[in-house]
Amino acid sequence: ETGVTQTPRHLVMGMTNKKSLKCEQHLGHNAMYWYKQSAKKPLELMFVYNFKEQTENNSVPSRFSPECPNSSHLFLHLHTLQPEDSALYLCASSQERGQPEAFFGQGTRLTVV
Amino acid sequence: AQTVTQSQPEMSVQEAETVTLSCTYDTSESDYYLFWYKQPPSRQMILVIRQEAYKQQNATENRFSVNFQKAAKSFSLKISDSQLGDAAMYFCAYTGSQGAQKLVFGQGTRLTINP
Repeated sequence: ETGVTQTPRHLVMGMTNKKSLKCEQHLGHNAMYWYKQSAKKPLELMFVYNFKEQTENNSVPSRFSPECPNSSHLFLHLHTLQPEDSALYLCASSQERGQPEAFFGQGTRLTVV
Repeated sequence: AQTVTQSQPEMSVQEAETVTLSCTYDTSESDYYLFWYKQPPSRQMILVIRQEAYKQQNATENRFSVNFQKAAKSFSLKISDSQLGDAAMYFCAYTGSQGAQKLVFGQGTRLTINP
């Protein structure tokens, strides 16, 4: 079992659909992140949650709505997405202080049709 | 704002040889961390090596080592005795030392290992 688990691994959705991505970490970390990885672009930080509180929203469109019910779970709710939102969405977690490295899940490959 | 630049989109090396991947960064902070992550076709980002800016000694992890030049803001990764399993995208990343850690990534270098 990996330390950070993302589901689903693949998702195809229409532009009018509503779906959610799930991330769960078993590492006892208290910071969680969503990153977007598009082809030929660096990874882009989307959201940061620290002790369940959102501490950063990197100018992400409102059609992406994060939710962090506790320090172990993070969701990304998706609605009315655009084809350009197709990408690999990576979840990560880390300690808020101390060990600075982030641990990543395997990502959700999202295709918007 | 901090930036990370990887100027080599692709690199290739013969199996068992040594290869060096380049990374430069820009920051006004004096205390920070630098990382190299590996992303194989499985897509999971795997931490390869980490360097604390306050440490002058270069980090090493088995066949992986870094050349950290703080004044030049350079952070290269050397892979010795390259193996087929080293084939992947390699990302250089930066994070500051305060608060929740937010990684700033470079564009990545695709490493191919030739048998």
